[in-house]
Amino acid sequence: SQTIHQWPATLVQPVGSPLSLECTVEGTSNPNLYWYRQAAGRGLQLLFYSVGIGQISSEVPQNLSASRPQDRQFILSSKKLLLSDSGFYLCACRDGNLYEQYFGPGTRLTVT
Amino acid sequence: GQQVMQIPQYQHVQEGEDFTTYCNSSTTLSNIQWYKQRPGGHPVFLIQLVKSGEVKKQKRLTFQFGEAKKNSSLHITATQTTDVGTYFCAGRTGRRALTFGSGTRLQVQP
Repeated sequence: SQTIHQWPATLVQPVGSPLSLECTVEGTSNPNLYWYRQAAGRGLQLLFYSVGIGQISSEVPQNLSASRPQDRQFILSSKKLLLSDSGFYLCACRDGNLYEQYFGPGTRLTVT
Repeated sequence: GQQVMQIPQYQHVQEGEDFTTYCNSSTTLSNIQWYKQRPGGHPVFLIQLVKSGEVKKQKRLTFQFGEAKKNSSLHITATQTTDVGTYFCAGRTGRRALTFGSGTRLQVQP
């Protein structure tokens, strides 16, 4: 079965600082990968998804970018964080042969 | 773009009472999925519905997909404290990525 690793679990960063969140997947190959953001007590907002190495689709124009340098690695970045970037960032994976999405443990980001 | 709305946003029930959350899409869906997120945790897949009018059961949970494939519901019979969490529906149209609803947070009073 698939396992998704995300780190760090929590992060406090000042406004204007850069960001790099990493997600790695085990137990599958060539998965679809997703980045979601969840504001406190709110729903899941899809930020980016990728169907393969170097292929990134952006769902919402914003201060963030994503990259997929390897098949099972998905990175979320920002050059300059904003207060509104605070939230719970979830990486998710879907095996192309299955339909359910598996979520990683998430990173709770607070921008101060 | 596609929108998926859920109601209610929040429900507080006494243990043993029933609970229902409703999901409505602005467009016809090819399938709908349901996820549960425990407090402080990440969403976990519960089920997928594909066919018009489909009904599936998982123990005390009953999931329905509307005839027009634009709405769905999750009903929990005789809630328990272990049912606490936020329930999300997520709809897919064609090959697009899932669109998640805003979720319904369930609190169960023992």
